[in-house]
Amino acid sequence: KQEVTQIPAALSVPEGENLVLNCSFTDSAIYNLQWFRQDPGKGLTSLLLIQSSQREQTSGRLNASLDKSSGRSTLYIAASQPGDSATYLCAVDNDYKLSFGAGTTVTVRA
Amino acid sequence: NAGVTQTPKFQVLKTGQSMTLQCAQDMNHEYMSWYRQDPGMGLRLIHYSVGAGITDQGEVPNGYNVSRSTTEDFPLRLLSAAPSQTSVYFCASSYVGDTQYFGPGTRLTVL
Repeated sequence: KQEVTQIPAALSVPEGENLVLNCSFTDSAIYNLQWFRQDPGKGLTSLLLIQSSQREQTSGRLNASLDKSSGRSTLYIAASQPGDSATYLCAVDNDYKLSFGAGTTVTVRA
Repeated sequence: NAGVTQTPKFQVLKTGQSMTLQCAQDMNHEYMSWYRQDPGMGLRLIHYSVGAGITDQGEVPNGYNVSRSTTEDFPLRLLSAAPSQTSVYFCASSYVGDTQYFGPGTRLTVL
């Protein structure tokens, strides 16, 4: 059974600081890994998708890396802004089944 | 495109009642799935489908039924609601192996 862990559970940083969010998983036989953002009371919005053959993906201020052999992914958010405050979730896809971490709740202080 | 839509947004049931949560997508995605989200536990997969007429169980399928008669719709049925099924339910769709698109969720309370 795939287990996905996200550390830390919560993070508070001043505006402008870079964010580093970690995700680890136990079964490396994944198809892909996705990072999502969830605002309070809302659904999930996909940020980045990394296929199993890729090492990283970038979109604007966001960069996600994937090390399948060690079962780790890291999401970097550069120059954080108060609008980046949200919960960030990672999910791994094993044979059509997505397993989610519990998320990291980020607060960016103005 | 409306994306992924879910109805209702909120629902209160009594123990033992049955109901159907609706999910529809207009992106012609083959893959659709249902999750429940409970505090501190992340999202857990209930059921999924890789196309019309094909469904399979996820991590927490007990107490829920699904069917997929069309590409667009993937309803989730609660057979006999229990307080343990109080949760927020999300539907998602995608092309197989591609970015998942989520609906806004249904907040269900079972008394």
